[in-house]
Amino acid sequence: DGGITQSPKYLFRKEGQNVTLSCEQNLNHDAMYWYRQDPGQGLRLIYYSQIVNDFQKGDIAEGYSVSREKKESFPLTVTSAQKNPTAFYLCASSERGQYSNQPQHFGDGTRLSIL
Amino acid sequence: ILNVEQSPQSLHVQEGDSTNFTCSFPSSNFYALHWYRWETAKSPEALFVMTLNGDEKKKGRISATLNTKEGYSYLYIKGSQPEDSATYLCAFRGSTLGRLYFGRGTQLTVWP
Repeated sequence: DGGITQSPKYLFRKEGQNVTLSCEQNLNHDAMYWYRQDPGQGLRLIYYSQIVNDFQKGDIAEGYSVSREKKESFPLTVTSAQKNPTAFYLCASSERGQYSNQPQHFGDGTRLSIL
Repeated sequence: ILNVEQSPQSLHVQEGDSTNFTCSFPSSNFYALHWYRWETAKSPEALFVMTLNGDEKKKGRISATLNTKEGYSYLYIKGSQPEDSATYLCAFRGSTLGRLYFGRGTQLTVWP
């Protein structure tokens, strides 16, 4: 079955520690996205990538980093510079990001908590 | 940051009631308007992608309309069922960037 796999489902971070959230897709989509959801808020865009080896900052990129070395993978690192990392993180993908009217497909999410 | 507003924030209806909610977005540089349904413990699922002014789309008991000139879209659910309980998200896509701007969602609860 084609889809998006996020791992782990739950993640705990100690103060001052970097953690990496995994996102893999086998939909052959060019574009991938990372969103953060907090209670009472909509989905806020952290980073997005429309093609391999290229990515752009979203609205809340500070304290996060990404890489896009392979089409299938778009890992998100939450660095120690992110002061309030506790949230639910969703990864998504879509076909041909910049010129496409195709919908985004979402993973099941990772819930990150601070110990 | 571009503003996408959804109303109401939450809605409680009885099974069999019809309901509708609103998404407001900028009327300039429009490219597309997306609707998603997000059920608890599942991932968001696309309902509609709407691109043309006056567009109407339907999927079973759910339909949506689009007015790009005034910057709003309505989502209608006819004869709500408990399985329609979810958060409904709309997202605006402008003509210059390949990204979506999401509203905060309308949380629908349908009581049996």
